[in-house]
Amino acid sequence: EIVLTQSPGTLSLSPGERATLSCRASQSVRSSYLAWYQQKPGQAPRLLIYGASSRATGIPDRFSGSGSGTDFTLTISRLEPEDFAVYYCQQYGNSPLYSFGQGTKLEIK
Amino acid sequence: EVQLVESGGGLVQPGGSLRLSCEASGFSFSSYWMHWVRQVPGKGLVWVSRINSDGSSTSYADSVKGRFTISRDNAKNTLYLQMNSLRAEDTAVYYCARGGQQLASDFDYWGQGTLVTVSS
Repeated sequence: EIVLTQSPGTLSLSPGERATLSCRASQSVRSSYLAWYQQKPGQAPRLLIYGASSRATGIPDRFSGSGSGTDFTLTISRLEPEDFAVYYCQQYGNSPLYSFGQGTKLEIK
Repeated sequence: EVQLVESGGGLVQPGGSLRLSCEASGFSFSSYWMHWVRQVPGKGLVWVSRINSDGSSTSYADSVKGRFTISRDNAKNTLYLQMNSLRAEDTAVYYCARGGQQLASDFDYWGQGTLVTVSS
């Protein structure tokens, strides 16, 4: 069973700064089947990144994903006020299918 | 425009049953795998169940196996989750989400969620 561990739990930054969020898997994620989602309070999650590094439709290019194997990163190059939210990684290639990380809260400093 | 609209949530007593629905529009529903994901308020996302495009294959998280049943009606563009023997720990917001056209796929569209509260 793959377990995804996200770090840090909370990240405090200011608008305009660069954010780096980590997602580590307990075993290798098959074919880089890893996604990142953004969730704002009271809203459904929104797909940002799939296949570890491909941006979903309509996602600004300040969001980028990288990594393979067991270590993955979501980078937001310059934070906008609307980027402060909770971010989840998800793997969808290994058993149990579709498991999520516990989330990283990105808050305004 | 892709839309997923859940309904059917509410307050139910422990041991009771509830059926959630998710009405889809704006895409060819019968071509996509579909999922249910739940979230306890203030906590993380947990995958619950999935069904393939024609309804012939299903899968469940261990926590709901034997109690929940996922199904779909492609003629009505609707996904269902029948929840039986409900427990307090099933209390959560339940989201339906669109998968891809294969087993291994991200979830590219989500409904707004429906709250299920299991309490006496």
